[in-house]
Formats: sequence, structure tokens, C-alpha cells
Amino acid sequence: NAGVTQTPKFQVLKTGQSMTLQCAQDMNHEYMSWYRQDPGMGLRLIHYSVGAGITDQGEVPNGYNVSRSTTEDFPLRLLSAAPSQTSVYFCASSYSTRSTRPKNYGYTFGSGTRLTVV
Amino acid sequence: DAKTTQPPSMDCAEGRAANLPCNHSTISGNEYVYWYRQIHSQGPQYIIHGLKNNETNEMASLIITEDRKSSTLILPHATLRDTAVYYCIVRGTYLIQGAQKLVFGQGTRLTINP
Repeated sequence: NAGVTQTPKFQVLKTGQSMTLQCAQDMNHEYMSWYRQDPGMGLRLIHYSVGAGITDQGEVPNGYNVSRSTTEDFPLRLLSAAPSQTSVYFCASSYSTRSTRPKNYGYTFGSGTRLTVV
Repeated sequence: DAKTTQPPSMDCAEGRAANLPCNHSTISGNEYVYWYRQIHSQGPQYIIHGLKNNETNEMASLIITEDRKSSTLILPHATLRDTAVYYCIVRGTYLIQGAQKLVFGQGTRLTINP
């Protein structure tokens, strides 16, 4: 049971390049989400998904795309990287609050991807 | 989701109990109180959650007031490794997909001193 796995751990991009941040979970969680965290700030929600084929925008979605083709994977795509996207990115998953199975709907976070755009 | 208010920073001596307060005066009946912590630049870690009753697990205890407008996270014997930013979050169990988001505030920066 690996939990939430994010790759890569570090990445440097040039302005205008595109890339995909990978996130995978093996806990059969319905809910997955992406956050970004800038220095000295809290986490801000980018996109989230309540199940395969269903995604929605969070607080700061501009410049990012997501898709959810399987329960396990939730990749985050940067279409044309900008210096303002320099940040630490966290993926998180949890059981959906629609689920009657668990009592704990707490999130499990990945270890983060540190992205620098130059 | 209800908003939460936490002190920006706190200090505690190693070996003592650390009591972290959180106000959530607009909490509604079906909203849970969750606590997370973030050590340095790692991903946030789930600590504990509760609805009405006090809760305890291997990491901490959660005391929720009877009116549910505030809560306190208690780390019974704080160690240096407990130095982190602690987030108190209110999350509902709504049955609509858009209401399941976790919204993080600034949290409390807890420093455990030797």
C-alpha cells in the first residue's frame, strides 16, 4: 500500500514548455485533488475530481488541465508554463463523502512536486 | 463550508501538552472538524477529526465544545518532531460533488522548544 505517489519530485521548466505532473493512489479513493503551495502561504485548490470521468475547477484553475480516466490516476497538465506557476504541487485523495463505507474522510497527501519555471 | 480562525503561531516546551485552539463559529450541524499538520515542506498529514464528541487517537485528542463553535487539538507530550503548521478545517458531508473540497487557511505554526 503506497498511498499517494507523485512524480516527478523536482522539475525545472522553461517558460512556454508543457508538462504533466503525475499522481496515483492505490486506496480506491473516489476523490482526488491538486493543490499548489507558494512560499509562506497555505494550500490553494487547483482542480478536483469526485470520480472517474468527473472533474471540476478549484480556486486557481487557470493554466492547468486535468482528466480522470481511471480511479487511480489524476494527472495535472501545465499547458504553457509561466514563472507564476513556480510552486510546490500536492496531490491528495480521500473517500468520497457520498461513500457509506468509511468513517474517516480524511485526505491522504502525496509528498509533493517542486516545480520551477524559468 | 464554515471558516476557521486559528492563532498564527504558538510555542510549547518539549514534553508538555500542546493545546491548539480553533474557532469555527459558523459551523453547521453536518460539518466535521478536521486537523492536519504540515512538517516543513512535506505533504500535509491527517491527524484527527470529529463531529460532536471528543476524539482520541494515537497522535492526539480533539476536544469540541458543546455548541461546536470551537475546538482544541491536544498533543499530550509534545516532541521536537511535532514542530509544524497545524490546520483546522471544517468539511461537510454534503451529497453534492462540489461541496467536498478542503479549504486550507493559514494554520498555526507550532514550535516545540527543547
